[in-house]
Amino acid sequence: NAGVMQNPRHLVRRRGQEARLRCSPMKGHSHVYWYRQLPEEGLKFMVYLQKENIIDESGMPKERFSAEFPKEGPSILRIQQVVRGDSAAYFCASSPGWNTGELFFGEGSRLTVL
Amino acid sequence: GNSVTQMEGPVTLSEEAFLTINCTYTATGYPSLFWYVQYPGEGLQLLLKATKADDKGSNKGFEATYRKETTSFHLEKGSVQVSDSAVYFCALEYGNKLVFGAGTILRVKS
Repeated sequence: NAGVMQNPRHLVRRRGQEARLRCSPMKGHSHVYWYRQLPEEGLKFMVYLQKENIIDESGMPKERFSAEFPKEGPSILRIQQVVRGDSAAYFCASSPGWNTGELFFGEGSRLTVL
Repeated sequence: GNSVTQMEGPVTLSEEAFLTINCTYTATGYPSLFWYVQYPGEGLQLLLKATKADDKGSNKGFEATYRKETTSFHLEKGSVQVSDSAVYFCALEYGNKLVFGAGTILRVKS
């Protein structure tokens, strides 16, 4: 049973370009979370999605960031017009539902903005 | 607000030493509490959890007790191994999501 799959593992972008990070949850999981880990900091919640719905986006920056989890296909975190401060590791996690509090994390996508 | 504070690292220990990583929280009500571990190059994985006051979570020799009176959830292990070297995150449940502390790096030397 494959775990949470994230790609790309490493992404390099120049300032002003767009970054797209993909996350395929574990089989049977319909809840997806995105977290950001900045250097020397812990994980910061960004957004919580279920299929075709954004449940909680309280941690998403107001501009340039968006997320989706379509009926078919992976969840996508999109960052438009990237800036150097967007350089971070972005982790996706999934769960079958909010009943245990256990999240299953992917290995992360490391974004570097030049 | 709801937040988690962990002791700063890195914590460096010799093999078979006793480990304590402090974690305190601020929250409304009594949230479930968790410890997650991140090994080098990997994503986080659940280590243990406790859902109510005085509960003790345990796994792989690690333990943590939910202390309501001190709002703490300290992680302990009696004898660490080199393979325990990782980053440890304390977290609480809030609003159907997890709020994490900053993480504590543990380095165990042989």
